[in-house]
Amino acid sequence: AQSVTQLDSHVSVSEGTPVLLRCNYSSSYSPSLFWYVQHPNKGLQLLLKYTSAATLVKGINGFEAEFKKSETSFHLTKPSAHMSDAAEYFCVVSGTDKLIFGTGTRLQVFP
Amino acid sequence: GAGVSQSPRYKVTKRGQDVALRCDPISGHVSLYWYRQALGQGPEFLTYFNYEAQQDKSGLPNDRFSAERPEGSISTLTIQRTEQRDSAMYRCASSHSDSSGNTIYFGEGSWLTVV
Repeated sequence: AQSVTQLDSHVSVSEGTPVLLRCNYSSSYSPSLFWYVQHPNKGLQLLLKYTSAATLVKGINGFEAEFKKSETSFHLTKPSAHMSDAAEYFCVVSGTDKLIFGTGTRLQVFP
Repeated sequence: GAGVSQSPRYKVTKRGQDVALRCDPISGHVSLYWYRQALGQGPEFLTYFNYEAQQDKSGLPNDRFSAERPEGSISTLTIQRTEQRDSAMYRCASSHSDSSGNTIYFGEGSWLTVV
């Protein structure tokens, strides 16, 4: 069975500093992994996805994530946080016919 | 349409009433998914269709919940005899196919409040 664990429920950073949102996955086969972002009162937006091509995946808005099989991790990073990055972020693994979401990490960005 | 469209966006209903939530997927998308998201939680899978066939309904919490997609396009999620614990955001999503790794696009959701 597939699952994801988001290691932090809340992350707070100052504007202009790096962002790290941690995610570990469990999968019985080579997984497809995603990060989605949810802004208040908005839909879920795909940030990036990994599907067994390059292990370093670049997404929208300057985010990227690295697939590390040895660590079963897929952490999301951004070099410099912006106020508009404040949102809820979900790490997601693709099961055989559905997406399985983590519990989410709320990112706060302080000026 | 350009994206996944859901209606109503907000629904308040009295306990015991039936509600129907509608999803209009992206044109041409084969697969359609329903998820439920409680406050402070991640979305949880309810059910999924390929064309008009319901492939997996393992996430439906009980027999008060049902979904259909009769013509392989628009889908309706119906909750009968609503209870307060049914209050949540109900999200619909669609994708071009059900292949693992295919991008799944979500609608803005339908907020259901049962009072």
